[in-house]
Amino acid sequence: GAVVSQHPSWVICKSGTSVKIECRSLDFQATTMFWYRQFPKQSLMLMATSNEGSKATYEQGVEKDKFLINHASLTLSTLTVTSAHPEDSSFYICSARDWTLSRDNSYEQYFGPGTRLTVT
Amino acid sequence: SQQGEEDPQALSIQEGENATMNCSYKTSINNLQWYRQNSGRGLVHLILIRSNEREKHSGRLRVTLDTSKKSSSLLITASRAADTASYFCAPYNQGGKLIFGQGTELSVKP
Repeated sequence: GAVVSQHPSWVICKSGTSVKIECRSLDFQATTMFWYRQFPKQSLMLMATSNEGSKATYEQGVEKDKFLINHASLTLSTLTVTSAHPEDSSFYICSARDWTLSRDNSYEQYFGPGTRLTVT
Repeated sequence: SQQGEEDPQALSIQEGENATMNCSYKTSINNLQWYRQNSGRGLVHLILIRSNEREKHSGRLRVTLDTSKKSSSLLITASRAADTASYFCAPYNQGGKLIFGQGTELSVKP
């Protein structure tokens, strides 16, 4: 149980275009989803936290107008990279959390397999 | 910062040996979680240890937590080539976010 999928797994786009990445919880309802970015040989950097039905909360330094996050349902969150540039090329990973699966308020997160974005 | 800091940054061992990775953090926590990431893949949750626990086992994994020193360690016993991956600790507090450190890159040679 507790599977999270991402689509696409990889995408190549031209500079200036927008790219949408989907994150789905397959067998549970994700009240909260998180979006991370990871550059090669580096750690995961938390970009934003999204709660179903409300606006995402962005981490300091992350441009909310560039990285649009929508969490319209309990099983789907999307990240849209608008007007992508080569420096946006990275590995984007989402994770999801379901309060009802948490034991003793542990709040385990389940991670998707990631989406590799290459902007040319 | 709630971020965990892993040590060492890289570790290379022979198959069959034990691997120990350490994690330090700065704030109080509710629990601390360890994850593994194979190259170019997503994260896999390995083990969670709560703040009131001192040691936890899961198969070949042993995690310890010392809240007085704000540190944790992950021990992988009898390592295998398939254990080659990056390992991250992630302290968790009531703020609800997992903030990852730089990780330890483990290489297990057959």
